[in-house]
Amino acid sequence: QMQLQESGPGLVKPSETLSLTCGVSDNSITSGYYWGWIRQPPGKGLEWIGSIYHSGSTDYNPSLKSRVTISVDTSKNQFSLKLRSVTAADTAVYYCARRWQWMVQDYFDYWGQGTLVTVSS
Amino acid sequence: QSVLTQPPSVSAAPGQKVTISCSGSSSNIGNNYVSWYQQLPGTAPKLLIYDNNERPSGIPDRFSGSKSDTSATLGITGLQTGDEADYYCGTWDTSLTAYVFGTGTKVAVL
Repeated sequence: QMQLQESGPGLVKPSETLSLTCGVSDNSITSGYYWGWIRQPPGKGLEWIGSIYHSGSTDYNPSLKSRVTISVDTSKNQFSLKLRSVTAADTAVYYCARRWQWMVQDYFDYWGQGTLVTVSS
Repeated sequence: QSVLTQPPSVSAAPGQKVTISCSGSSSNIGNNYVSWYQQLPGTAPKLLIYDNNERPSGIPDRFSGSKSDTSATLGITGLQTGDEADYYCGTWDTSLTAYVFGTGTKVAVL
């Protein structure tokens, strides 16, 4: 059974960089899937942040692209998120998820449990 | 503000049926497959429907999906108290070059 687990600091200061890592079970990060990050501010809806393929190819939400970097480490079976210059508006539960994308097919079929990141001094 | 619009809430008695609409445009629903996600209180979203109307293994056939032009619909029959959750539609938007989620719908079982 596929499992994903987010890890990283739960508190980040304004203007600093939010860094999270997602560990993927069963050495499947080099399979034909993409790996993505989605966030959810408290009491609000879901927002796609971006995704990465094991080759390193990425796509980002244009609204966050200038501040986001997603990377992958296939040797550790994990991928990571960096969000720079954070503000209180970046406070959210951050989820990592496996994404299937091919032609008109596009969906997230496995999700991590999520981790709350609060931006505050 | 999301480009996929859903009703904020729907409700029905146990055993009844509810439908949740997801309205978009030709740049998203009109030209790409739709998926649906269920988010139980305090938990991560879970894939409920993919490719407009396909159910992942383990999802009961009480859940169904359909798509017509630029709108999609999620149906839940035989409503149970365990179905109380937030439901989101999702798809790729070709114009925005972004994966977009709907505004979300809260299902209440009366």
